[in-house]
Amino acid sequence: EVQLVESGGGLVQPGGSLRLSCAASGFTFSSSAMSWVRQAPGKGLEWVSTLSAAGNAYYADSVKDRFTISRDNSENTFYLQLSGLRAEDTAVYYCAKAQGSSARYHFEYWGQGTLVTVSS
Amino acid sequence: ETVLTQSPATLSLSPGERATLSCRASQSVSTYLAWYQQKPGQAPRLLIYDASNRATGIPARFSGSGSGTDFTLSISSLEPEDFAVYFCQQRGNWPPAFGQGTKVEIK
Repeated sequence: EVQLVESGGGLVQPGGSLRLSCAASGFTFSSSAMSWVRQAPGKGLEWVSTLSAAGNAYYADSVKDRFTISRDNSENTFYLQLSGLRAEDTAVYYCAKAQGSSARYHFEYWGQGTLVTVSS
Repeated sequence: ETVLTQSPATLSLSPGERATLSCRASQSVSTYLAWYQQKPGQAPRLLIYDASNRATGIPARFSGSGSGTDFTLSISSLEPEDFAVYFCQQRGNWPPAFGQGTKVEIK
């Protein structure tokens, strides 16, 4: 059974930093592209970032140069480093497993999400 | 960027009725379109990928169709657990994008 468990969310001040983690199990982690998708309160879904199995990173324009995606294949864990946080980054952040190894796949499995709140 | 527009915003139906949801893309995405279901407080769940393929474990009452710019998600006979928000998502053009969602509510 595929499981994705996010952690690391919380309350942070504008301009602050946070690192989100996603622990994966039940599939060959090193062969899968992994993504972060966020959802602001009461809003729709927004793609944030994807890391392919080959290690290529992609970012939405709204987070480029502020967020960094990474993975540790030895620990089956996936990360999103958030910095320069703004109020508009407030959202539930979901990690999602892609259907394949490249960035150009649909999101097959999702974690339960972790809430990031940016407020003073 | 490809913009996905879903209609209607809200669909009010009774259990047993047929639901038809629409997703229109601002440019062709070929058949690279997916549908997700999201219930309150839960993560999205993949229903349909590449326009017409049901994901693992998805009941046959869910079906998808379309290509290019116009896509449809159909639910043949609504079950109580189908009342939720549905999002479409394209992977045909970079960056990936979601529609704004259609809420299927009980009439």
